[in-house]
Amino acid sequence: EVQLVESGGGLVQPGRSLKLSCAASGFTFSDYNMAWVRQAPKKGLEWVATISYDGSSTYYRDSVKGRFTISRDNAKSTLYLQMDSLRSEDTATYYCARQDGGFAYWGQGTLVTVSS
Amino acid sequence: DVVLTQTPPTLLATIGQSVSISCRSSQSLLHSNGNTYLNWLLQRTGQSPQPLIYLVSKLESGVPNRFSGSGSGTDFTLKISGVEAEDLGVYYCMQFTHYPPTFGSGTKLEIK
Repeated sequence: EVQLVESGGGLVQPGRSLKLSCAASGFTFSDYNMAWVRQAPKKGLEWVATISYDGSSTYYRDSVKGRFTISRDNAKSTLYLQMDSLRSEDTATYYCARQDGGFAYWGQGTLVTVSS
Repeated sequence: DVVLTQTPPTLLATIGQSVSISCRSSQSLLHSNGNTYLNWLLQRTGQSPQPLIYLVSKLESGVPNRFSGSGSGTDFTLKISGVEAEDLGVYYCMQFTHYPPTFGSGTKLEIK
């Protein structure tokens, strides 16, 4: 059974950093591109970043370029999102998702709140 | 970025009623490889989104066949033939043909 379990969310002040993790199991992690998708409170879904199966390519939405870094450790079957210079508009539930022509599997999400 | 416009924003249905949700794209979603990467997801309250349909009309494993998808180019439709109570939630279309991937604004299905 495919499982994606996010962790690392919490309350953080504007301008500070936070690192999210997503532990994957139930499939060969190194075979798949992975992504982070976020959802602000009471709002819709928004793609944040994608990393290729081998980590050689990364893609970001414009609003997080230069502030967020997506990475992965295939030996640990874990996906990461390093978030720096956080802003109030980054407040959201962050989901990791397996990317294969869509997002076929999602984690349960981890809430990031950016507030002073 | 590709804009996906979903209508209606809210849908009120009775059990057993058939309903449709429209998703219109600002650009054709036909990829150069011949595939159309238009998917539908359902997010129940307090849960993660779950995929329903991929490549316009293909049902994800385990999805009841009362769900169906159709369309091409820029116009797409999700149909539920005989709504059941477990179908309530917010439905999103999403496209994967053009980067960045984008989502529609959602259609909330409520049961009368």
